[in-house]
Amino acid sequence: GAVVSQHPSRVICKSGTSVKIECRSLDFQATTMFWYRQFPKQSLMLMATSNEGSKATYEQGVEKDKFLINHASLTLSTLTVTSAHPEDSSFYICSARTPWGGPQETQYFGPGTRLLVL
Amino acid sequence: AQSVAQPEDQVNVAEGNPLTVKCTYSVSGNPYLFWYVQYPNRGLQFLLKYITGDNLVKGSYGFEAEFNKSQTSFHLKKPSALVSDSALYFCAVRVLGSSNTGKLIFGQGTTLQVKP
Repeated sequence: GAVVSQHPSRVICKSGTSVKIECRSLDFQATTMFWYRQFPKQSLMLMATSNEGSKATYEQGVEKDKFLINHASLTLSTLTVTSAHPEDSSFYICSARTPWGGPQETQYFGPGTRLLVL
Repeated sequence: AQSVAQPEDQVNVAEGNPLTVKCTYSVSGNPYLFWYVQYPNRGLQFLLKYITGDNLVKGSYGFEAEFNKSQTSFHLKKPSALVSDSALYFCAVRVLGSSNTGKLIFGQGTTLQVKP
């Protein structure tokens, strides 16, 4: 299947700092990427939908000024957690949707980024 | 409301035995259905999907799933479980033509434990 990478895989930061997570689709161009948050032993919570060249669409309850999303190219989306606090500690997973549409369309997921805010 | 349910938090099977991980859905319209597997501290890996056609879908690692429209189910199956199949499994659905095109709705996940 298609490959989606995330960087970094783990990050530890101090409270109040900002952290940027990169998501790349390595072998296809993704006009749409998604950012999820996952708490231990729980399902994925969709945070936002990232569309190349336009503003991200945030889910209800997700602060767009805190979780900045930029989808600057067809293979790269970034999530910046601004002024991070301990409650932002979580596992963040991105996914990229194949552009072909119809039955061929599939979402592929990155390996995730573990964020720990001290 | 659109939803996906995985009624079992955990499924335990012995190695070599068949396994089933259950999933039911409630959506309007024709669903695209997916199964993903997640190993500890990793992202989700795509296993298989149902779009249209044959109700029995074959996927990666010997897994298969059967789409049952009348029962609105999409159970994941494997004839002979391996210890290495132990992981967290997610069922997901996407509905065609909705305003949320492309957004997956996930079940709560089922932990599969295969014992030697």
